[in-house]
Amino acid sequence: DAGVTQSPTHLIKTRGQQVTLRCSPKSGHDTVSWYQQALGQGPQFIFQYYEEEERQRGNFPDRFSGHQFPNYSSELNVNALLLGDSALYLCASSLGSGTNTEAFFGQGTRLTVV
Amino acid sequence: DAKTTQPNSMESNEEEPVHLPCNHSTISGTDYIHWYRQLPSQGPEYVIHGLTSNVNNRMASLAIAEDRKSSTLILHRATLRDAAVYYCILRDVKFGAETSGSRLTFGEGTQLTVNP
Repeated sequence: DAGVTQSPTHLIKTRGQQVTLRCSPKSGHDTVSWYQQALGQGPQFIFQYYEEEERQRGNFPDRFSGHQFPNYSSELNVNALLLGDSALYLCASSLGSGTNTEAFFGQGTRLTVV
Repeated sequence: DAKTTQPNSMESNEEEPVHLPCNHSTISGTDYIHWYRQLPSQGPEYVIHGLTSNVNNRMASLAIAEDRKSSTLILHRATLRDAAVYYCILRDVKFGAETSGSRLTFGEGTQLTVNP
C-alpha cells in the first residue's frame, strides 16, 4: 500500500515565479492538508481540503492556494515566490477531517527560491 | 489554538524507557492529544493519540493526567531509531459558517537523543 506521495522531491525556482506541488494521499484517505516547514522549525499548517473544498486555512497569504481533485489528490500553488518561501512543503492525508484521526505525511517537497 | 509546552531536548540510553512530558494547561474538552515524531530528512510520523484515557499501541504508550493539563509519551525501550524530534499536539476543530476542519499545530518539539 503506497503511502502519501509527493512530487517533485526537490525544486529550485526564481523569485517571482509560480510553483505547483502535487500530493497523492494514502489509499482510502479523503482529506489532504498542507504544511510548510522552515529549517529548524516545526511544520506550519497552510490549509486542509476535504470533499474538494478548503475546510480550514492557516495564517498564509492568498499567494498560497490549493485544489483537491475528485480522486482526492491535491495541488498546492504558490504565486509570486519570495525568498522566504524556501522550505520543506509537507502533505498529510487522513480519513475525514476530524480530530480523532491519524495523519500520514509524505516525505515532502524541498523548495528553494533563489 | 491551544498550545503545548515541551522540553527542548532529552537524552536517553538505548534499551531504557523514555518519558517525554508535555504540558497543555489550556486544553479544551474536545481537544485530542496527538504525538508525532520526525526523523531527520523525513516527514512527521504518527505515534499515538488519546482523549482522556491512557492509550497503548505497538510504538508507545500515552499517559494522560486526570485533569488533562499534561500528558507523557512513554517509549518502553528506546532504540537508536527512536532518535527524533517528538511533537505533542492538541488537535482542534474549527467550525466555520459552512465548513469545519481540523489542523495539527506543531510547536518546537523535543529533540530526543538516544545513546548507544
